[in-house]
Amino acid sequence: DQQVKQNSPSLSVQEGRISILNCDYTNSMFDYFLWYKKYPAEGPTFLISISSIKDKNEDGRFTVFLNKSAKHLSLHIVPSQPGDSAVYFCAGYNTDKLIFGTGTRLQVFP
Amino acid sequence: DAGITQSPRHKVTETGTPVTLRCHQTENHRYMYWYRQDPGHGLRLIHYSYGVKDTDKGEVSDGYSVSRSKTEDFLLTLESATSSQTSVYFCAISGQGVNTEAFFGQGTRLTVV
Repeated sequence: DQQVKQNSPSLSVQEGRISILNCDYTNSMFDYFLWYKKYPAEGPTFLISISSIKDKNEDGRFTVFLNKSAKHLSLHIVPSQPGDSAVYFCAGYNTDKLIFGTGTRLQVFP
Repeated sequence: DAGITQSPRHKVTETGTPVTLRCHQTENHRYMYWYRQDPGHGLRLIHYSYGVKDTDKGEVSDGYSVSRSKTEDFLLTLESATSSQTSVYFCAISGQGVNTEAFFGQGTRLTVV
């Protein structure tokens, strides 16, 4: 059973526009969420996180929104840049287990 | 960059042979994790460790064992490799474990033929 789901395997966005990546989780025990970015042949790198006591966290061009009642979070990238093209994973802590989603491949085109 | 080294970076092995992957850290972090990445499945947790000699199972632990005899090393062993274990394996470390970011190694590409 996939506890963290990213239902869109891919997303294509024009440079300068907003990218919105979505993530759903099934277990209300998750209380801290993170987004990671991954380039080919590299390990994932941390982008931004959010605690379940908040509904928004912003860091530069990246904003994460959390809707606990819907068990849904999203990552907004504004403005999108070609260098943002990568696979994005959402993840959540269920006690001390860090569980990842299936990933969304973002392509930003000129 | 966090000091995490995975070895080997690439390995080809035959079905039925045991294989050990090593994760070495220089950050003195308490938590260490092993994941595998496969198309359509994202990153799946295999095993993790919350201290020396303290380990627990993840989402896909069957066919894998781990050991952590010292803080800096976390070993993942495929007891008898199968073709379904062909994957890219990532190690991650985290200082406090819960509710903190984890740092990843560069990955090990394992092919079982």
